[in-house]
Amino acid sequence: AQSVSQHNHHVILSEAASLELGCNYSYGGTVNLFWYVQYPGQHLQLLLKYFSGDPLVKGIKGFEAEFIKSKFSFNLRKPSVQWSDTAEYFCAVNGDTNAGKSTFGDGTTLTVKP
Amino acid sequence: NAGVTQTPKFRVLKTGQSMTLLCAQDMNHEYMYWYRQDPGMGLRLIHYSVGEGTTAKGEVPDGYNVSRLKKQNFLLGLESAAPSQTSVYFCATSSGSKADTQYFGPGTRLTVL
Repeated sequence: AQSVSQHNHHVILSEAASLELGCNYSYGGTVNLFWYVQYPGQHLQLLLKYFSGDPLVKGIKGFEAEFIKSKFSFNLRKPSVQWSDTAEYFCAVNGDTNAGKSTFGDGTTLTVKP
Repeated sequence: NAGVTQTPKFRVLKTGQSMTLLCAQDMNHEYMYWYRQDPGMGLRLIHYSVGEGTTAKGEVPDGYNVSRLKKQNFLLGLESAAPSQTSVYFCATSSGSKADTQYFGPGTRLTVL
């Protein structure tokens, strides 16, 4: 079975601060990893994903994530956050035998103070 | 091109009442999913479908039923609503490839009194 753990439930930052949200997964085989974002009042949308190749993945709005296989991690980073990044962030994993069926983490709420 | 739509957006039920949530997609995706989102618990998969006429149980299927009579529609039913089913329900679709993005609907906020 696959599982995902997000370490931070609520993060509060000031604008221009750097961000790193932790995500660890558990699965014994090849994985595909995703970060989704849910802005206030909106539905979830994809931020970035990893499925093969370069373990450093760049997404929308300046976000990036690094897949570290040895640590079973896929942490999300942004060098300088903006007030508009206030949202809930979800990490998700999809193992190679679970085609199309992702498991989501509990989410991290990010609040950016202007 | 509406993507993924959900009906209704809000609903209040009394315990024991029944209702059906409709998810419609115009993306020609094979896979469709129903999730519930509760504070601090992320998204939990209720049921999913890998194609027209097929359904399967997810992580938290009890108290829910689903049907996928047409490729573009995925219905979620509550036969006898309970307060524990108060939640926000999201529908999602994907092409079915394990690397594929899931596309989410706007959600339905359900309150059971």
